Amino acid sequence: GDSVTQMEGPVTLSEEAFLTINCTYTATGYPSLFWYVQYPGEGLQLLLKATKADDKGSNKGFEATYRKETTSFHLEKGSVQVSDSAVYFCALSEFGVTGGGNKLTFGTGTQLKVEL
Amino acid sequence: SQTIHQWPATLVQPVGSPLSLECTVEGTSNPNLYWYRQAAGRGLQLLFYSVGIGQISSEVPQNLSASRPQDRQFILSSKKLLLSDSGFYLCAWSVHPGQGVYGYTFGSGTRLTVV
Repeated sequence: GDSVTQMEGPVTLSEEAFLTINCTYTATGYPSLFWYVQYPGEGLQLLLKATKADDKGSNKGFEATYRKETTSFHLEKGSVQVSDSAVYFCALSEFGVTGGGNKLTFGTGTQLKVEL
Repeated sequence: SQTIHQWPATLVQPVGSPLSLECTVEGTSNPNLYWYRQAAGRGLQLLFYSVGIGQISSEVPQNLSASRPQDRQFILSSKKLLLSDSGFYLCAWSVHPGQGVYGYTFGSGTRLTVV
C-alpha cells in the first residue's frame, strides 16, 4: 500500500537558518504530493502541493520539488522564522485509485522549533 | 468561499459516556468528508470517509462510528468511550476525483480527553 516516511523530529533551528525536512514515499500509481502545517492547538493547513514529476510547489517561502526518480518531496526554506514553529506533515494521494474518496496518506509529522 | 466548522473545540468525557462530534461544510456541494484522529505525539490516522449521504467507509476497527445525515454534515459518535479514544479529532473535506487536485481542507479540530 501507499506510505509516506518523514524524518524524525523534533528539529530545532536558530532563526534565519536553512530548513530541510525529508520526505519519501511509496505508491502504486502516480500520486499527488502535499505538505501540510499544523500550528499548536490548530487543525492542518495546506502549505503546498505538486501533482506531477518535477513540479515545484511553493508558499510562504517554503518549497518542495516532486522527484519521481527518488520518490521524494523534501520541504525546504532558506531562512526560517520563529513563527514557522509547527508540525509539518508530508502526504500523498492517488485520486480515484481507491474508487472512493480522495484518501490522503500522511507521514507521522516533523516538529520544527525555531529559536531566536 | 468554502468553510468547514467543527465543534466542540475541547471535550472532557468520562469513560463509558457517549460521544458526538459534529462537522459541517459550507460553500460546496457533495464533498468527500473525512474523520482523522491524531493521538498524542503520533501521526494522523484516517478513521472514516464518506463520498455521499449515508455512505460511510471505515478504515480501522474501533469503538467509534460515523454518519452523514445530510450532504454537508458529518458526525462522529461513540456509545461508550474508552480511555484509548482520547486524542485530537480532525474533520476534513475534499472535492471528488476528477474535479481537481486541491488536497483537503481541515477543520480546527476537537481535543477529546477521556478520563
